[in-house]
Amino acid sequence: GQQLNQSPQSMFIQEGEDVSMNCTSSSIFNTWLWYKQEPGEGPVLLIALYKAGELTSNGRLTAQFGITRKDSFLNISASIPSDVGIYFCAGRSYNTDKLIFGTGTRLQVFP
Amino acid sequence: KAGVTQTPRYLIKTRGQQVTLSCSPISGHRSVSWYQQTPGQGLQFLFEYFSETQRNKGNFPGRFSGRQFSNSRSEMNVSTLELGDSALYLCASSSRPTGPYGYTFGSGTRLTVV
Repeated sequence: GQQLNQSPQSMFIQEGEDVSMNCTSSSIFNTWLWYKQEPGEGPVLLIALYKAGELTSNGRLTAQFGITRKDSFLNISASIPSDVGIYFCAGRSYNTDKLIFGTGTRLQVFP
Repeated sequence: KAGVTQTPRYLIKTRGQQVTLSCSPISGHRSVSWYQQTPGQGLQFLFEYFSETQRNKGNFPGRFSGRQFSNSRSEMNVSTLELGDSALYLCASSSRPTGPYGYTFGSGTRLTVV
């Protein structure tokens, strides 16, 4: 199935560090969403982006909709242990109108 | 406001059997999407319904089907189960399928085929 390229695949960081992850697509997207999933639960929406160049924050999280419409970035500042989980990007393309998910970034935070 | 409810949470079935999973969206949400999540393939789009009509369909065989009722509740059915169908099946709802609306996911149904 179709998927976005998300990197890095996993990250092991120390509490207090900043984190960056990104997603790229070969298609132009009109929507980018960022989700976090914890064990045994469904993904939870963190940030939604609907306009190229848009920069949106949600607490310590900041995400951007790339101006090429083919990428998006998520930054987490001053990480804490509860940030542990799998982060997914998701995008909807003009062509297919389906919401496609990235492969996920597994984040581990050590105290 | 109740979230997206998926039932059952866990299911064990035998190869060749069929299974029906249920999803109740957030009240007022008319769009429901289904995803299959496996460790190897990630989140794969199955289908999307809006106002009882299938809007979009992923690349899954015809054994996977779904429907949406007038109250927006949705079911998905998998017939002739195979071992590879073992996965977490996630349902997500939204006010509308396009535009500035995020998707809210349920906790999923974990299906194990033995």
